[in-house]
Amino acid sequence: AQSVAQPEDQVNVAEGNPLTVKCTYSVSGNPYLFWYVQYPNRGLQFLLKYITGDNLVKGSYGFEAEFNKSQTSFHLKKPSALVSDSALYFCAVRDYMNRDDKIIFGKGTRLHILP
Amino acid sequence: DTEVTQTPKHLVMGMTNKKSLKCEQHMGHRAMYWYKQKAKKPPELMFVYSYEKLSINESVPSRFSPECPNSSLLNLHLHALQPEDSALYLCASSQALAGVKETQYFGPGTRLLVL
Repeated sequence: AQSVAQPEDQVNVAEGNPLTVKCTYSVSGNPYLFWYVQYPNRGLQFLLKYITGDNLVKGSYGFEAEFNKSQTSFHLKKPSALVSDSALYFCAVRDYMNRDDKIIFGKGTRLHILP
Repeated sequence: DTEVTQTPKHLVMGMTNKKSLKCEQHMGHRAMYWYKQKAKKPPELMFVYSYEKLSINESVPSRFSPECPNSSLLNLHLHALQPEDSALYLCASSQALAGVKETQYFGPGTRLLVL
C-alpha cells in the first residue's frame, strides 16, 4: 500500500532562515506526490506536486520540493521563511494502485516561523 | 480559478437535528469529494462522486448522506449525529477521478459542532 511519513510533528525556524519540512514515501511503482498547506481554521491549499520530470519542483508562495528516489523522500523547502508561512503542512501520495482514487495524507507537520 | 466554496462556515446542531452542508465548484471538475478532519489530524476520505455518481463510500455511517444534484454541487445531509462527529468537513474537487496526476482542490471547510 502507498504511504507517506512526516517524521516531525513540529518544526521551528527563525524568520529569514531556510526551512525544510520532511516527507518520505513508500509506493509500489511510480510515486505521485503532493504538498498541501492548511492555515488555521481553513481548508487545504495545494502547494505543488511531483509527477515526473525534474526532481526539483517549484510551487506556490516560493516553496519548492526535492524528489529523491534513492532516499524515497520529497522534502518541502523554502530559501527564506516568512512568519506568514506558519501553518500545518501535509505531504500526500496518490494511491493509484487501486481502482479507487485516493490521496493518502501524512499526519502533518506544524511549521512555526519565529519573528 | 481554482475555488471550491462551502457553506455554512460554521454549524452547531443537536443530535436530533437535520442539516445539510453544501459545496460548489465552477471549474468543470467531474470528481468531488467529502473529507472529515479532526483537530491536528489529516483529512479522512468519506465519499467520492464521479460524474454525479457515488464512486467511493468509505464505510461512513448512514447518518451521513451525500448527494450530487449536478456537476457543480455536492451536498452532505446530516441526521442524528453524535458529538464525536464534530469536526471540520472539507469538500474537494478534481478534474477527473481516475487521473492519478489530477490535483484535488479543497474548499475552506465547514466546522461542525454537535451538541
